[in-house]
Amino acid sequence: NAGVTQTPKFRVLKTGQSMTLLCAQDMNHEYMYWYRQDPGMGLRLIHYSVGEGTTAKGEVPDGYNVSRLKKQNFLLGLESAAPSQTSVYFCASSTYGGGGGTEAFFGQGTRLTVV
Amino acid sequence: AQTVTQSQPEMSVQEAETVTLSCTYDTSENNYYLFWYKQPPSRQMILVIRQEAYKQQNATENRFSVNFQKAAKSFSLKISDSQLGDTAMYFCAFMKNFGNEKLTFGTGTRLTIIP
Repeated sequence: NAGVTQTPKFRVLKTGQSMTLLCAQDMNHEYMYWYRQDPGMGLRLIHYSVGEGTTAKGEVPDGYNVSRLKKQNFLLGLESAAPSQTSVYFCASSTYGGGGGTEAFFGQGTRLTVV
Repeated sequence: AQTVTQSQPEMSVQEAETVTLSCTYDTSENNYYLFWYKQPPSRQMILVIRQEAYKQQNATENRFSVNFQKAAKSFSLKISDSQLGDTAMYFCAFMKNFGNEKLTFGTGTRLTIIP
C-alpha cells in the first residue's frame, strides 16, 4: 500500500523557472492538501481540495497554483519560482470524518531549492 | 483564526526518562481536535496521538499520553520510558470541527533522546 506519494523528492530550480509537484494517493481520500515546512515556522497550508475538481486557498497561497483533475492526484505548480519558495513541501490526504478528527496521511516531502 | 504555540524549540532527555512537550492554542471554537505528529529524521510525518475536545478523558497511546486542559487551552504530550527512536521533531496541531480537516500546526519541538 503506497499511501501518499510525492514526485520528485528533490529539485533545484533557478529563479523564474516553473515546475509542478505531483501528489498521488491510493486511499480514495476526498481531501488533499499541500503544506510547506520552513525552519522555525512549522507546516503552513498552501492550498487544499475537498474533492475532484475543487481547490481552495490556504494560509500561504501566493505564488502557487493547484489542480485536482482526478481524485487521486493533486498538483502544485510554481509558475515563476522565487528564492522565498525554497522549502520542503508536503502533500497530505484525509477522508471525510463527518465533522473532523480524521488522520492526515503525509507524503515524504519534496525538498525544493530555488537559486 | 486559530494559532498553535510550542514554546520549547529544543529539548533533550536521557533514555528511559519521561519528558513533557508543551503546546498551547488559541481558538474561539468549542468543538475541535488536537493532534501530536512526530517527524523523525526521515522527514515522514507520523500521527502520535489525537484528542477530541469534547472528551474530558485524556488520550493515551502506549508510552504517549496527553494532558488536555480545555479551559487553559493547553495540550501537552508526555513520553514515558523514552527510547532512542523517539528522537524527532514533534508538532502540535489543531483541527476545527467541520473545517475540511485542515490542520494548523505549531512551530515544533526538536526532541533528542540521549543514550
